Amino acid sequence: AQSVTQLGSHVSVSEGALVLLRCNYSSSVPPYLFWYVQYPNQGLQLLLKYTSAATLVKGINGFEAEFKKSETSFHLTKPSAHMSDAAEYFCAVSHTDKLIFGTGTRLQVFP
Amino acid sequence: GAVVSQHPSRVICKSGTSVKIECRSLDFQATTMFWYRQFPKQSLMLMATSNEGSKATYEQGVEKDKFLINHASLTLSTLTVTSAHPEDSSFYICSARRGDGNTIYFGEGSWLTVV
Repeated sequence: AQSVTQLGSHVSVSEGALVLLRCNYSSSVPPYLFWYVQYPNQGLQLLLKYTSAATLVKGINGFEAEFKKSETSFHLTKPSAHMSDAAEYFCAVSHTDKLIFGTGTRLQVFP
Repeated sequence: GAVVSQHPSRVICKSGTSVKIECRSLDFQATTMFWYRQFPKQSLMLMATSNEGSKATYEQGVEKDKFLINHASLTLSTLTVTSAHPEDSSFYICSARRGDGNTIYFGEGSWLTVV
């Protein structure tokens, strides 16, 4: 069975600081991994995805994530946080069509 | 780009009635659509997988007679919550997989409140 674990349900950073949202996965086969962002009262928007090509994946809004097989991790980072980055972030894993989501991490950005 | 649209975005219904939520892929054919529900401050839980022209596959614990899913065309899937109760109040989100690729697109979600 596949699963993802997001460490930290809440992360707070200052504007301009590094953003690091953690995601570890469990999969018996090479996984497809995703990061989604959800703004309040909205659906999900794909930030980036890993599909077994380059291990460092660049996404929208300056976010990137690195697939590390040895650590079974796919952490999301952004060098400098903006106020507009405040949202809920979900890591997800997929083997076939189904997406299995983590419990989410709420990012707060303080001025 | 590809867009998946859900309607209605918000609906309030009385307990015991049924409500239908539509999920449309606007500029691509979706061979597979997925329905999720999300309780406040929680993650998305997959309810069912809907394939065009065939019966939906429900996840364990999801009542298929209560959550009726119809995927009658390559651009439309519907979720009908039958005999709705207040505990069915939730955020329902659909997603659609393009027939020609691996990308999955999400709808904007639908808030259901049962009073």
